[in-house]
Amino acid sequence: EPEVTQTPSHQVTQMGQEVILRCVPISNHLYFYWYRQILGQKVEFLVSFYNNEISEKSEIFDDQFSVERPDGSNFTLKIRSTKLEDSAMYFCASSEALIFSSYNSPLHFGNGTRLTVT
Amino acid sequence: AQTVTQSQPEMSVQEAETVTLSCTYDTSENNYYLFWYKQPPSRQMILVIRQEAYKQQNATENRFSVNFQKAAKSFSLKISDSQLGDTAMYFCAFMRNNAGNMLTFGGGTRLMVKP
Repeated sequence: EPEVTQTPSHQVTQMGQEVILRCVPISNHLYFYWYRQILGQKVEFLVSFYNNEISEKSEIFDDQFSVERPDGSNFTLKIRSTKLEDSAMYFCASSEALIFSSYNSPLHFGNGTRLTVT
Repeated sequence: AQTVTQSQPEMSVQEAETVTLSCTYDTSENNYYLFWYKQPPSRQMILVIRQEAYKQQNATENRFSVNFQKAAKSFSLKISDSQLGDTAMYFCAFMRNNAGNMLTFGGGTRLMVKP
C-alpha cells in the first residue's frame, strides 16, 4: 500500500537555524498538510496546501513557516529561524480529495519527523 | 473554536476483551465529521473509523464501532475482541464541514492490550 514518507526521522538543529522538513506524499494525492505535536500535547494543524497554494493555515503557521512543492513529488516545510518551542514531532499528510466530498478520502499520515531545537 | 477532550490518558485491556475509549467535543457547528486515529509505536497515524454528524447510525469497521451521541457531543470508540496489535495511542479528532481537512485532535489515550 502506498505511504507518505518523511525524512529525516529525527533532526537536531540549533536555535536560529533554518530547517527544512521533507515529505513525499502519495503520488496521486492532490491535498497536502502539515501537523505538529509538541511532546505531551495535542496534535495541531499547521497548514493545508492544494494546487500550489496554501488553502488553510492555523495561527501557529506564522511568517517563520513556509511550505513548498518544489517538484512533482516533494512537499516541504521550512522554518526560517528555529526557536526552542518549535521542538516537536512534525507530521505530513496527504489526501486524494477533500474529506467532505462524497468520495471517502481519509488523510494518510507519514511517520513524522522529530525536530529538536537546542 | 472547537475543542476535543479525551479524559482517559491511559487504559489497558486484556486480549480478547472489549474496551471503550471516551471522547467529547465542543462545537457550535451542526455539520461536521468525527474520527478516531490510531498511532502505533511506528508513529504513523492510521484512520480507524469516521462518522458524519448528519448520520444517525453509528459507524462500524470490523471490530471497531462508535457510540455517537450528537446531543451530548460524545463520540466513544469501542474495540471488541482486543488484539495485541491494537496497542497504540488513539486520537479522537473533529473536523467541521468545508474545513479543508483541518482536524482538531484530542490529547490521546494510550491503550495497552495485555496478553
